[in-house]
Amino acid sequence: AQSVTQPDIHITVSEGASLELRCNYSYGATPYLFWYVQSPGQGLQLLLKYFSGDTLVQGIKGFEAEFKRSQSSFNLRKPSVHWSDAAEYFCAVDNNNDMRFGAGTRLTVKP
Amino acid sequence: NAGVMQNPRHLVRRRGQEARLRCSPMKGHSHVYWYRQLPEEGLKFMVYLQKENIIDESGMPKERFSAEFPKEGPSILRIQQVVRGDSAAYFCASSPMGGTNTGELFFGEGSRLTVL
Repeated sequence: AQSVTQPDIHITVSEGASLELRCNYSYGATPYLFWYVQSPGQGLQLLLKYFSGDTLVQGIKGFEAEFKRSQSSFNLRKPSVHWSDAAEYFCAVDNNNDMRFGAGTRLTVKP
Repeated sequence: NAGVMQNPRHLVRRRGQEARLRCSPMKGHSHVYWYRQLPEEGLKFMVYLQKENIIDESGMPKERFSAEFPKEGPSILRIQQVVRGDSAAYFCASSPMGGTNTGELFFGEGSRLTVL
């Protein structure tokens, strides 16, 4: 079955530390890949997306993600986390206009 | 260019009542998606619609839930005879049609349903 997996439900990092949020998918072909962020009480905002080409994509707010076909992964990274990055992060996969989301990873940032 | 508009933002219903949630997609967008987010859970796909057509409703409960996206007016998610388990945030997202569709979804701020 097609699925999107975010293995980490909750991650806590210190401000200034690096961050990596994991995402794996299982689809037959390479779908479009996305990362969204949701602040409390808000809708989702697109951070970045991958369609094709360079497997390292840059997004807003200093985030980047790397597509690894061999691992069916699209992990999100940030070299230095800010307190304002505390939020819920969702990986999403679009396979022919069928958009599915992972369960989300909640990020807590310690001072 | 206004974003995706959802209303009401908050809705309180008693068990057995009906809930109607509205979503106006961004201008020029003809694809609408509804998702449900339960507390401490991620987004669960419910239904995907284009104008006057339901494309995929595989995520929507067979009973009590229905959705439409008429030729004119907003998309409506309707929940009949609500139960406490329906309490959740319901998010609408839209995307443009055809060749302009880059796969990105644009989200509304959600409608939060509380069933007493």
